[in-house]
Amino acid sequence: GAVVSQHPSWVICKSGTSVKIECRSLDFQATTMFWYRQFPKQSLMLMATSNEGSKATYEQGVEKDKFLINHASLTLSTLTVTSAHPEDSSFYICSARLAGPSYEQYFGPGTRLTVT
Amino acid sequence: AQSVAQPEDQVNVAEGNPLTVKCTYSVSGNPYLFWYVQYPNRGLQFLLKYITGDNLVKGSYGFEAEFNKSQTSFHLKKPSALVSDSALYFCAVRDIGTNAGKSTFGDGTTLTVKP
Repeated sequence: GAVVSQHPSWVICKSGTSVKIECRSLDFQATTMFWYRQFPKQSLMLMATSNEGSKATYEQGVEKDKFLINHASLTLSTLTVTSAHPEDSSFYICSARLAGPSYEQYFGPGTRLTVT
Repeated sequence: AQSVAQPEDQVNVAEGNPLTVKCTYSVSGNPYLFWYVQYPNRGLQFLLKYITGDNLVKGSYGFEAEFNKSQTSFHLKKPSALVSDSALYFCAVRDIGTNAGKSTFGDGTTLTVKP
């Protein structure tokens, strides 16, 4: 159980276009979802935390208007990278968690974004 | 503020030998502690967690970790390493008192198990 999927697994887009990444919890209801960015051989950088039905909470330094997060239901969160630039190229990972801080997070397989 | 340190970027062990991946943490209150493993181009997989109770926690794939409050450590261990254990390992902490929503991850330790 506790499977999180991400789609797409990889995407190549041109500079200036927008890309949407979906994150779904397949067999549980995720009250909280997290979006991370990971650079090669580095740790995860938390971008934002989203709770179902409310606005996402962004970490300091993360542009809200550039990385749009929507958590419309207990099983789906989306991250839209707007007006993408090559520096946005990265590995994006979502994570979902049951209610309560003692629960572990379940991670999606990640999305490799390349902006040309 | 909460933080995690994984002092070793790289750990190399021979197959069949015991392995240890170190983790120390800092929180203002009581911690929830987690270990995750990441294989190339994949998301993280949960290995084990410490919430409360026994200081020795057993997890997936034969891994275990020992919570040491006095040393603020949560080292990951396995009695006999396998080549397939080679991966990137992350320790994470969550302060249940003040920042219950978010985990802080260490920088990761690359474990290489040689045949």
